[in-house]
Amino acid sequence: DAGVIQSPRHEVTEMGQEVTLRCKPISGHDYLFWYRQTMMRGLELLIYFNNNVPIDDSGMPEDRFSAKMPNASFSTLKIQPSEPRDSAVYFCASSFIGLNTEAFFGQGTRLTVV
Amino acid sequence: KQEVTQIPAALSVPEGENLVLNCSFTDSAIYNLQWFRQDPGKGLTSLLLIQSSQREQTSGRLNASLDKSSGRSTLYIAASQPGDSATYLCAVKGNYGQNFVFGPGTRLSVLP
Repeated sequence: DAGVIQSPRHEVTEMGQEVTLRCKPISGHDYLFWYRQTMMRGLELLIYFNNNVPIDDSGMPEDRFSAKMPNASFSTLKIQPSEPRDSAVYFCASSFIGLNTEAFFGQGTRLTVV
Repeated sequence: KQEVTQIPAALSVPEGENLVLNCSFTDSAIYNLQWFRQDPGKGLTSLLLIQSSQREQTSGRLNASLDKSSGRSTLYIAASQPGDSATYLCAVKGNYGQNFVFGPGTRLSVLP
């Protein structure tokens, strides 16, 4: 398996524009996580899915953020409208079900909102 | 709420030294703890996973220990190499869900 695949790797957009980040988890994994990494706050969980169903979205900062997982092999994180403070690296991760399973991370999407 | 801290925030050592990175967590009711490595501009690479019932895990020059009752884990790197230079993050999974809570990381520089 190629691992967790995220696209795009880099995104620069103007304030107010819609941004969509994409993730393809490792085949067969039951869980998918979206994290955000900033210098100030480190890695924070935004939302995670179990078998395509959102389980915990308490980390989603505002209604401007939304995430979907239409099938087991694809998820999106959308920001609309984007703001400069959304600039961060967004990571997607996936894992098998179970309490003692590893999480595998994608390479991340570096988002810059100007 | 689980909180994870890592000491030191940054560390610089000469090549060949053995070193220890520390991770502390406030809620000892964890299922496992995972150590990751992150290179600049890259994603996270899993290094070791320690289950709550385990005391340590080893992979090559890396050894991670876990003392759940005291809320601590250490990552020991033997005979450090310049290629070990990266940020090392620990993360814990507890009974609050399937997600990991991350520490802020330790930035390691190994000088040739």
